[in-house]
Amino acid sequence: GAGVSQSPSNKVTEKGKDVELRCDPISGHTALYWYRQRLGQGLEFLIYFQGNSAPDKSGLPSDRFSAERTGESVSTLTIQRTQQEDSAVYLCASSLSAGGPYNEQFFGPGTRLTVL
Amino acid sequence: SQQGEEDPQALSIQEGENATMNCSYKTSINNLQWYRQNSGRGLVHLILIRSNEREKHSGRLRVTLDTSKKSSSLLITASRAADTASYFCATDAVGTGGFKTIFGAGTRLFVKA
Repeated sequence: GAGVSQSPSNKVTEKGKDVELRCDPISGHTALYWYRQRLGQGLEFLIYFQGNSAPDKSGLPSDRFSAERTGESVSTLTIQRTQQEDSAVYLCASSLSAGGPYNEQFFGPGTRLTVL
Repeated sequence: SQQGEEDPQALSIQEGENATMNCSYKTSINNLQWYRQNSGRGLVHLILIRSNEREKHSGRLRVTLDTSKKSSSLLITASRAADTASYFCATDAVGTGGFKTIFGAGTRLFVKA
């Protein structure tokens, strides 16, 4: 079956531009997660969606970041007025549910964002 | 602050040897997971251990969890060159800000053929 897919795989943008990153989770997975990984570092938790519940946005780095999810399907992460410090790989993952014994997360290949 | 922290930061061993990586965390958790990341296959889930479990095995992997010390270890036995990768522990916890999965900075393992 299909895994988690992300698009685009690479994005180069100029400072100040807006970017939109897309994630298609595995069908049937109610939980979806966004992470940021800077070069040589671990993953930084940004936000997660569980079913139709309102997401906790406290992990987003600034108000330039926003994320949406339509039902239990596609999610988009939007970064407005990009800064060079936003350059990183943005990873999306999905799981059957969040926080329980079925919380094995399946990761997409990531979107590598470069802000010039 | 970062929840999980692994040590060592880097580890180089010969093929056939065992590799042990440790992870410490700070708050109460629901689960602890170990993931592997390499350039070829991205980030892959290895094993999940629940907070009420103490040890778990999967093939050549053995994970222990000590909730009293807030620590976990990952043992890879009879290592292979293909095990070369970064290994991350990740903790699931529910706090005042809601649910979070927190990853450590990772251990970079290099297995020499």
